[in-house]
Amino acid sequence: EDQVTQSPEALRLQEGESSSLNCSYTVSGLRGLFWYRQDPGKGPEFLFTLYSAGEEKEKERLKATLTKKESFLHITAPKPEDSATYLCAVQAHGQNFVFGPGTRLSVLP
Amino acid sequence: DSGVTQTPKHLITATGQRVTLRCSPRSGDLSVYWYQQSLDQGLQFLIQYYNGEERAKGNILERFSAQQFPDLHSELNLSSLELGDSALYFCASSGDRAANEKLFFGSGTQLSVL
Repeated sequence: EDQVTQSPEALRLQEGESSSLNCSYTVSGLRGLFWYRQDPGKGPEFLFTLYSAGEEKEKERLKATLTKKESFLHITAPKPEDSATYLCAVQAHGQNFVFGPGTRLSVLP
Repeated sequence: DSGVTQTPKHLITATGQRVTLRCSPRSGDLSVYWYQQSLDQGLQFLIQYYNGEERAKGNILERFSAQQFPDLHSELNLSSLELGDSALYFCASSGDRAANEKLFFGSGTQLSVL
């Protein structure tokens, strides 16, 4: 059975304090790994798709990386507006998405 | 704005009742997905439709049903509601049948069963 875990469950950072979020997955035949951002009371918003180990994607202060067993979302010099829940999801070939429980990020000014 | 529209935003009802949640996908998207999100369960996949046909089923209860109409909008029907059905229900759409593209989520319907 495909599984996704994320750590930490919650993370509190000071503005400008860089850190990383982890997504560990077990899937038979990875088709893609997806990162989403979710603000309170809103639907998840797509950030990145990674398809193969070694791949990296960047967007503003965020960088996502992928290995064969996990993905990291690196946040460089975060700002308060980066506060949100970050969700990781995997998709196996011919299967639907399996989402992780998310990491709640708070960035304090 | 994702382009996916969900109505209503909030729904308050009583146990045993039946409700219908509506979703209009992004223009041109043929796939519609329904997800349930509760505090202790995270995002749980319920069901997917592609161009009017059921494509995949997840952890959807027998009391729940869905359909996608010719104009591609979708409805999720929840019946014999229980307290535990209280959750955020999201609709998402994508343009790809095999769902290897990103999903675009609506803002959700917050269901409260009292």
